[in-house]
Amino acid sequence: KAGVTQTPRYLIKTRGQQVTLSCSPISGHRSVSWYQQTPGQGLQFLFEYFSETQRNKGNFPGRFSGRQFSNSRSEMNVSTLELGDSALYLCASSFLATEWGDSPLHFGNGTRLTVT
Amino acid sequence: GNSVTQMEGPVTLSEEAFLTINCTYTATGYPSLFWYVQYPGEGLQLLLKATKADDKGSNKGFEATYRKETTSFHLEKGSVQVSDSAVYFCALSRGQNFVFGPGTRLSVLP
Repeated sequence: KAGVTQTPRYLIKTRGQQVTLSCSPISGHRSVSWYQQTPGQGLQFLFEYFSETQRNKGNFPGRFSGRQFSNSRSEMNVSTLELGDSALYLCASSFLATEWGDSPLHFGNGTRLTVT
Repeated sequence: GNSVTQMEGPVTLSEEAFLTINCTYTATGYPSLFWYVQYPGEGLQLLLKATKADDKGSNKGFEATYRKETTSFHLEKGSVQVSDSAVYFCALSRGQNFVFGPGTRLSVLP
């Protein structure tokens, strides 16, 4: 079974530009979450989508947005890039919680975004 | 709110040494608990999990026991290898809302 696929792996953008990152979840997973990882702040939750609806959102400015398509693939967009947006962006997919407990997140290898 | 605390490291060990990475949590109710590992240049990989009190998760020689009375989920391995060098994250989830610890960097020297 293929894992979570994120494209592209690396991106270099300049301040003020916008960027779109893509994530294909594991087949059958309908929940997709996005995280930002930086050395200083660690893993920070951006948002989670399920069946094309945003269910949860972290504490990020409105420049960060996302969407999910009917095939569960997801994209996130960052507009008006700032230097501080340089980070590893991780996508994760999962099943829903079960009666035996929550389902684990399965992560992709991330997109490394550098803003110059 | 829910939170996870873990030793931040870095932790440096010699090959074949015993490993413990402490993790404690604060949560309402009964969360599911996880350990993830991140190798350089990669995303997080699920290492093990436990969903109820006294459950022991295990994988690749790593173990962790869900201790409700001490709200802990410490990661242990009896004999580490150089290939175990990575960053380890403790996490909890309630209703599929995940909270991650800051990560512990482990370096194993030959």
